[in-house]
Amino acid sequence: GENVEQHPSTLSVQEGDSAVIKCTYSDSASNYFPWYKQELGKRPQLIIDIRSNVGEKKDQRIAVTLNKTAKHFSLHITETQPEDSAVYFCAARAYFGNEKLTFGTGTRLTIIP
Amino acid sequence: DAGVTQSPTHLIKTRGQHVTLRCSPISGHKSVSWYQQVLGQGPQFIFQYYEKEERGRGNFPDRFSARQFPNYSSELNVNALLLGDSALYLCASSPGSGQGIPGANVLTFGAGSRLTVL
Repeated sequence: GENVEQHPSTLSVQEGDSAVIKCTYSDSASNYFPWYKQELGKRPQLIIDIRSNVGEKKDQRIAVTLNKTAKHFSLHITETQPEDSAVYFCAARAYFGNEKLTFGTGTRLTIIP
Repeated sequence: DAGVTQSPTHLIKTRGQHVTLRCSPISGHKSVSWYQQVLGQGPQFIFQYYEKEERGRGNFPDRFSARQFPNYSSELNVNALLLGDSALYLCASSPGSGQGIPGANVLTFGAGSRLTVL
């Protein structure tokens, strides 16, 4: 089955700087890659996603890049703010119509004011 | 419009007991998935139901079962509870079906039911 690895497990960034979180996946059939943000005690919230027919997607300060050949994808947050502090999870899904997501182990991002 | 709602929010059980967790999807969503999130880890897929039929099952023992009702709400049942079942149980809904429709399989999560097994 699919295996998703995520790095780093913790990341501290000065406010205003950029943060990058990286994930690799094992199943070359994976075609959907969402990123979720989970604040302490709250639900995972989708912040951005990308499908395998696209190499990059941006939404304001957040961007995701996908390298299908290397089977890795990354989350980029620019101009970080204190409210960006949370745990971020990457995930991968192998088959269209099958909603099983395989999640990474999470990255705890701390923005230092 | 309410989001995905789950109940109960917290519960404490002892080993060997049974638990039932409930989920109401976003109005109009026909697919419900269940995930287990152990502290410090990413969510692990348990089940997906679409139109009352099981569409996927994760690597969980038969003590875990689920069903979906005609109104698309769902229950997750866990029998013979073990200490290791202590976790946050997340329900997620989506419009389902897919068929090339953008957003059709995007999951929206509920706040979860935190189960503690003593």
